[in-house]
Amino acid sequence: EPEVTQTPSHQVTQMGQEVILRCVPISNHLYFYWYRQILGQKVEFLVSFYNNEISEKSEIFDDQFSVERPDGSNFTLKIRSTKLEDSAMYFCASSEGLFSYNEQFFGPGTRLTVL
Amino acid sequence: SQQGEEDPQALSIQEGENATMNCSYKTSINNLQWYRQNSGRGLVHLILIRSNEREKHSGRLRVTLDTSKKSSSLLITASRAADTASNFCAVNDYKLSFGAGTTVTVRA
Repeated sequence: EPEVTQTPSHQVTQMGQEVILRCVPISNHLYFYWYRQILGQKVEFLVSFYNNEISEKSEIFDDQFSVERPDGSNFTLKIRSTKLEDSAMYFCASSEGLFSYNEQFFGPGTRLTVL
Repeated sequence: SQQGEEDPQALSIQEGENATMNCSYKTSINNLQWYRQNSGRGLVHLILIRSNEREKHSGRLRVTLDTSKKSSSLLITASRAADTASNFCAVNDYKLSFGAGTTVTVRA
């Protein structure tokens, strides 16, 4: 069964460093998302992406964040200068069709630890 | 924006028993989805129920939706140890908005 994959599973970085989290969505899906979950808190939406541009983004997704689909398969989330409060589990998701009508399939997550 | 809110926050049951949890939301929806998360792991999609559906089944899971009351319920029947997890409802407009979840513990 096709699935969303994410790499790495765990990333440790120093405050101020740039990190890139990678995702390979399900191959025929057109809509891509990033969510994050700070330990013990709710899963929060960050950004959605369709047709090579951002569709929606939350207040969390400030100028320190960017997303890219550099080739036909990868979908990346870049945090330019990490802060301690960026420590969280980051989930990538994808859906086949319009987000309002289709289930989103989540990857296993990347645990980001900022020291 | 709206989000689903689950109730109760936590639930402890004996293996073989049923577990019911509820979700309430505030505005109109296109669909409502239930997800499961085992401790420290990713989110697994359980069921999507559309706004024009009232009930949906998937294996041991049964989901109902009452749009007049803006609520949904998830019933897990004949629970197993592997059902120990947090269950979330998520309402879908342009993104999924998750509640805090119901943590289910199944005792052997």
